Amino acid sequence: RKEVEQDPGPFNVPEGATVAFNCTYSNSASQSFFWYRQDCRKEPKLLMSVYSSGNEDGRFTAQLNRASQYISLLIRDSKLSDSATYLCVVIVFMRFGAGTRLTVKP
Amino acid sequence: DTAVSQTPKYLVTQMGNDKSIKCEQNLGHDTMYWYKQDSKKFLKIMFSYNNKELIINETVPNRFSPKSPDKAHLNLHINSLELGDSAVYFCASSQDWINYGYTFGSGTRLTVV
Repeated sequence: RKEVEQDPGPFNVPEGATVAFNCTYSNSASQSFFWYRQDCRKEPKLLMSVYSSGNEDGRFTAQLNRASQYISLLIRDSKLSDSATYLCVVIVFMRFGAGTRLTVKP
Repeated sequence: DTAVSQTPKYLVTQMGNDKSIKCEQNLGHDTMYWYKQDSKKFLKIMFSYNNKELIINETVPNRFSPKSPDKAHLNLHINSLELGDSAVYFCASSQDWINYGYTFGSGTRLTVV
């Protein structure tokens, strides 16, 4: 299973429509989540972070569901200028080993 | 002022050549990255440096060697270029590697012929 999976689309919607994207992640230790937007032949640009309580920025709403391990992006009242590729980003904690106990004796 | 600048923007070269891509950020960020975006548009992490120290090195061939002379610069050198190396390479930076989003450079389109 891929670490981060999204439906590649394309999603073709009329102006004014509401559209939602989902993104699932496999690592339950994932800590930080973002949505990026990439226009054709351009670099990705941060659209918004995704917080546990859900967050909204104008017409855009991001949600995080840790239990089901997915994040979503909802775009209301779609504009022509919203046409782009939307990328989800998931950042995982560093992982620790079990530890090596050292005992120094006199 | 460009926040993350990478050069060159386009690079066309023959198989077997060695080439470098430079990246500089003026944001004061501690962490820099190299990503590869292939023809399927999938962005894949290659390397990450935090304060000049390598912290992520994904399974990238040894022909790729990152170099960070200071925390504002992360260059990518590629030896013995192969056709499969053709892609867009993006440099990025972030304030730290866990909590903040990335700022990307505009990309370097590498074509190996």
